[in-house]
Amino acid sequence: SQTIHQWPATLVQPVGSPLSLECTVEGTSNPNLYWYRQAAGRGLQLLFYSVGIGQISSEVPQNLSASRPQDRQFILSSKKLLLSDSGFYLCAWSVTGGHSPLHFGNGTRLTVT
Amino acid sequence: GENVEQHPSTLSVQEGDSAVIKCTYSDSASNYFPWYKQELGKRPQLIIDIRSNVGEKKDQRIAVTLNKTAKHFSLHITETQPEDSAVYFCAASIPNAGKSTFGDGTTLTVKP
Repeated sequence: SQTIHQWPATLVQPVGSPLSLECTVEGTSNPNLYWYRQAAGRGLQLLFYSVGIGQISSEVPQNLSASRPQDRQFILSSKKLLLSDSGFYLCAWSVTGGHSPLHFGNGTRLTVT
Repeated sequence: GENVEQHPSTLSVQEGDSAVIKCTYSDSASNYFPWYKQELGKRPQLIIDIRSNVGEKKDQRIAVTLNKTAKHFSLHITETQPEDSAVYFCAASIPNAGKSTFGDGTTLTVKP
């Protein structure tokens, strides 16, 4: 069966520090991969998605970036965090081609101080 | 691009009553409509989905209806229980677009 791992679960970082969140998927090949952010009490904001290795689509211009160095690995990064980067970050995967739900990781709660 | 509107943003019902959440979408090319439930502090999880070639789908106390002509779909929860309290998100997907468009969510509170 497929599983998705996302870490860390919680993170407290000072403003201006770098960020690296990692997500890996097991049990499937060539998945679509996604990074979402959720502010407290708000909806799901799509940040990046990838349909293949090295293919990254950005939905919202900001100081974040994403990379997909391997088929089942998706990394969210920032060189300098802002206070507004605080939130609940969710990685997700789906089968390519549509008609497939998203499977979310457990999320990372990031607090920028 | 696709736009999904979800109503109401908050919904409070008495235990045992029914709850209905409605979503409308803008792009007639959308053909897959999942619903997710997110409990406080947890990840969203799929509870039911429907494809555009089906008008209704039911799974125990949960049902989803789709009106392609009007471009709206609804989640129906019958005999609500306190554990149904959560945020519910609808979404719409266009084939091979690589992504889903989410509604803003509905916070459902079931009072015992």
